[in-house]
Amino acid sequence: AQSVTQLGSHVSVSEGALVLLRCNYSSSVPPYLFWYVQYPNQGLQLLLKYTSAATLVKGINGFEAEFKKSETSFHLTKPSAHMSDAAEYFCAVSSGFQKLVFGTGTRLLVSP
Amino acid sequence: EADIYQTPRYLVIGTGKKITLECSQTMGHDKMYWYQQDPGMELHLIHYSYGVNSTEKGDLSSESTVSRIRTEHFPLTLESARPSHTSQYLCASSEQGSSDTQYFGPGTRLTVL
Repeated sequence: AQSVTQLGSHVSVSEGALVLLRCNYSSSVPPYLFWYVQYPNQGLQLLLKYTSAATLVKGINGFEAEFKKSETSFHLTKPSAHMSDAAEYFCAVSSGFQKLVFGTGTRLLVSP
Repeated sequence: EADIYQTPRYLVIGTGKKITLECSQTMGHDKMYWYQQDPGMELHLIHYSYGVNSTEKGDLSSESTVSRIRTEHFPLTLESARPSHTSQYLCASSEQGSSDTQYFGPGTRLTVL
């Protein structure tokens, strides 16, 4: 069965610092992988997705993620954090049957 | 990107009331989903649909029911609300052959007193 593990329920960075949010997956088939962002009292917004094309995926708002099969990882990065990046981030893997399995989320805190 | 709408955005009701949470999408997506999310917690799939007249229960057991009479509409109903139903409910849709990408509505935050 497919599953996702997000390391760290909270990550704190200073404005301008590198953002690194970790995601490891387990999948019995070549996976589709996703990162979503959720701002307070809103739904989830798709940041980026991996669908077996390029291993380095660029998304919106300056985020990118690299698919590493050998490490079963799909970590999300951004070179320089902005205050507006403070939100909850969810990694997800396609479970097949057109369903997604979500991680428990990582709250990103950005300090001035 | 899908346009997907949920109403109401916020709802406070008393125990025992019947409620329906509305979800509509304008992109003609076949697949639609309902998730339940407690504050600061992960998403749990409670219902999904592959198309008109198709509904399935998700991974988390729920006392709610859904219907899919029209492609664009996927309402969720609670016959008798209880405080344990207090949560955020998120609706999503996806297109056939879209690598399972799901697009989410803004959510309905339900409080049952």
